[in-house]
Amino acid sequence: GGIITQTPKFLIGQEGQKLTLKCQQNFNHDTMYWYRQDSGKGLRLIYYSITENDLQKGDLSEGYDASREKKSSFSLTVTSAQKNEMAVFLCASSSGLGGIAETLYFGSGTRLTVL
Amino acid sequence: QQKVQQSPESLSVPEGGMASLNCTSSDRNFQYFWWYRQHSGEGPKALMSIFSDGDKKEGRFTAHLNKASLHVSLHIRDSQPSDSALYFCAASELSGSWQLIFGSGTQLTVMP
Repeated sequence: GGIITQTPKFLIGQEGQKLTLKCQQNFNHDTMYWYRQDSGKGLRLIYYSITENDLQKGDLSEGYDASREKKSSFSLTVTSAQKNEMAVFLCASSSGLGGIAETLYFGSGTRLTVL
Repeated sequence: QQKVQQSPESLSVPEGGMASLNCTSSDRNFQYFWWYRQHSGEGPKALMSIFSDGDKKEGRFTAHLNKASLHVSLHIRDSQPSDSALYFCAASELSGSWQLIFGSGTQLTVMP
């Protein structure tokens, strides 16, 4: 089995600050994802990447940048933190190039608080 | 309106009881369904998928899909306190650019 490691687990930032979240996976999966989880709103897709240096926008990409530096890592940057950014950010990976039959494997999340 | 809607928002059942969770897609393109479970402080984990009409059983968990109504349910028999978690339904498209759309979740509490 593999594991997805997200760092940091807790991130406290100031309003307007640029903040970076990191994700590493050792499944050797091709596709990686960033989701945001807000209470009562489920998971919403921010970005995904089907291979190194590929980036695809999800429904919630505004205000975020992403970077797939290598197959095993995927970073997410909050370009200017806002008060309503208090949420849990979840990284996930899957084995193929995106498709209906794939299981997503999630990390345990980064909890963001903006002061 | 959310494309994937779940009900109820929260549910309490006694240990050993049956828990029933519901999910409906409002977009006919999204008719492949998944159930994910998230324990507090962890990321979601896939429970099961269902793509065809009818029932799919995995241990104590049974999913039922009605494609005509785009309704899927999850039934947990002999519920255990360890089943207490947030349950997400997710749907994906038939083909083309895929995206897994998650519902807002059902919080299940199993009371000892």
